[in-house]
Amino acid sequence: GENVEQHPSTLSVQEGDSAVIKCTYSDSASNYFPWYKQELGKGPQLIIDIRSNVGEKKDQRIAVTLNKTAKHFSLHITETQPEDSAVYFCAANRDGGSQGNLIFGKGTKLSVKP
Amino acid sequence: ETGVTQSPTHLIKTRGQQVTLRCSSQSGHNTVSWYQQALGQGPQFIFQYYREEENGRGNFPPRFSGLQFPNYSSELNVNALELDDSALYLCASRGGGNTEAFFGQGTRLTVV
Repeated sequence: GENVEQHPSTLSVQEGDSAVIKCTYSDSASNYFPWYKQELGKGPQLIIDIRSNVGEKKDQRIAVTLNKTAKHFSLHITETQPEDSAVYFCAANRDGGSQGNLIFGKGTKLSVKP
Repeated sequence: ETGVTQSPTHLIKTRGQQVTLRCSSQSGHNTVSWYQQALGQGPQFIFQYYREEENGRGNFPPRFSGLQFPNYSSELNVNALELDDSALYLCASRGGGNTEAFFGQGTRLTVV
């Protein structure tokens, strides 16, 4: 089955700097890769996703890149702000199937220092 | 459009008891998945319901069971609770043919 590895487990940056979180996956059939932000006491919030037919997707300060050959994908946050502090999870699954279950990484705790 | 809502937000149960958690899916979403999130870990897939039938299951024992109702709301039932069942239980819904999953705020279950 699919296995998703995520690193680093913790990341501390100064406000205004960029943050990068990386994930690798094992199942070459996976074709959908979402990223979730989870704040303390809340459920995961979908912030961006990418499908395997594209290599990069951007939404304002957030971007995701995908390398299908190497089976890894990354989240890039530019101009970080204190409110970006949270735990970020990557996930993978096969799009379009009846299963649709997400396999998550273990998370990255991002701290943005003012 | 309402989001995914879960109830209760917190509860405490004794080992051996049974518990039922509830989830209302986002408007228009007919697929509901349940996840268990242990402290400091990523969510783990329990099972998924589509049009009132279970159509996917993760590595969880049969004492974890569920239901989906005609309005697409769902329940997660756990029998014979164990201490290791203490976790945040998350419900996620998605629309037919879509993969984007939207999560509720979760139910924090503590087993003592």
